[in-house]
Amino acid sequence: SYELTQPPSVSVSPGQTASITCSGDKLGDKYVCWYQQKPGQSPVLVIYQDAKRPSGIPERFSGSNSGNTATLTISGTQAMDEADYYCQAWDSSTVVFGGGTKLTVL
Amino acid sequence: QITLKESGPTLAKPTQTLTLTCTFSGFSLNTSAVGVGWIRQPPGKALEWLALIYWNDEKRYSPSLKSRLTITKDTSKNQVVLTMTNMDPVDTATYYCAHRPRFGSEVNFDYWGQGTLVTVSS
Repeated sequence: SYELTQPPSVSVSPGQTASITCSGDKLGDKYVCWYQQKPGQSPVLVIYQDAKRPSGIPERFSGSNSGNTATLTISGTQAMDEADYYCQAWDSSTVVFGGGTKLTVL
Repeated sequence: QITLKESGPTLAKPTQTLTLTCTFSGFSLNTSAVGVGWIRQPPGKALEWLALIYWNDEKRYSPSLKSRLTITKDTSKNQVVLTMTNMDPVDTATYYCAHRPRFGSEVNFDYWGQGTLVTVSS
């Protein structure tokens, strides 16, 4: 079965750029999306089709996908961005989630 | 405005069959390419996809849980039902339903329900 690998945790200082990676075999050949989940809340879609932002998602959230790695980038990270982030792909008619990355804004 | 809400028992006993209902509004499961999926999350753990049903009644299941899952829809009631057989304590999780938008060939979920916590214990 297809697997997506994320680092368990990433730390960033306020105002700096945070990068969260998601790795999988030939991931660049698939569309990747990203969800943000804050404690006690449901996930929120922040990036879809590798790099598109849904309505209402701040411009500081961006995405890329090439080769075996997709990356979620948060520019000018704010304290409110502290959350768990999950990547997700669609492979062989199944939905696959990464293991999640806890973003800490120090 | 799209909304989804999960309902069902909060407690299940081992070996029982769990039935969860997702009641939604703001979209129709008669619309081409639209779908509703189920995703769960054990306490403190990652998201896990379970099942997906499309407007045309096509269904997709997690390979690891396929033998235990059934997803159905009732378009007239705007509901999607998930059944999971042979429940075990490891199935304790928050269960979410979510909307799959009609655009794109891939699957993502742009609206999620609030989730319902199901605890499996004797």
